[in-house]
Amino acid sequence: SQQGEEDPQALSIQEGENATMNCSYKTSINNLQWYRQNSGRGLVHLILIRSNEREKHSGRLRVTLDTSKKSSSLLITASRAADTASYFCATDGWAGSYQLTFGKGTKLSVIP
Amino acid sequence: DSGVTQTPKHLITATGQRVTLRCSPRSGDLSVYWYQQSLDQGLQFLIQYYNGEERAKGNILERFSAQQFPDLHSELNLSSLELGDSALYFCASSYRDNPTGELFFGEGSRLTVL
Repeated sequence: SQQGEEDPQALSIQEGENATMNCSYKTSINNLQWYRQNSGRGLVHLILIRSNEREKHSGRLRVTLDTSKKSSSLLITASRAADTASYFCATDGWAGSYQLTFGKGTKLSVIP
Repeated sequence: DSGVTQTPKHLITATGQRVTLRCSPRSGDLSVYWYQQSLDQGLQFLIQYYNGEERAKGNILERFSAQQFPDLHSELNLSSLELGDSALYFCASSYRDNPTGELFFGEGSRLTVL
């Protein structure tokens, strides 16, 4: 079963706008990660935020984590057409062993 | 390029058949993870090997098996294939024995069962 659930499932914005994706999860975590997947391609790691961190930045990416609400958000600022992809959050919960579990993703379309 | 190599990229086979997917991890990585991605189930963790030993097991069917060889490459064997096994199968690797850090993904093997 999925640990993380992204919201919204799909998002369409104009180039230059900001895109915000949310992720909720169920169990305790060490870290939360965000990955990007271009259509039919492999996943690429974007950013990792530790459970004791509240916010992290990397270039145009900003990730927040609220462990009390078991939720995270990914903000992409000044979006570009090349940002069009699916974005997944992944959590490393314990299920008898540590497993990296992915949500179903948010499909982002950035219109030029 | 993640450094993780998966073969074959595409595979078409019939129900009841058996296939083997191969993964070479990034140089220096000791862990290999297998994931299945389908439209209805999303990305499902199947199994992890670390330095030749099974480390974690997820939603892997009994018809599926995997192993990691001394040179650290891994194979995922899928047998008695069903239509519902059609999916993208990803391999990922990491240095650590657990997935609490970044995983490096291959480009996947797309399996179509007819």
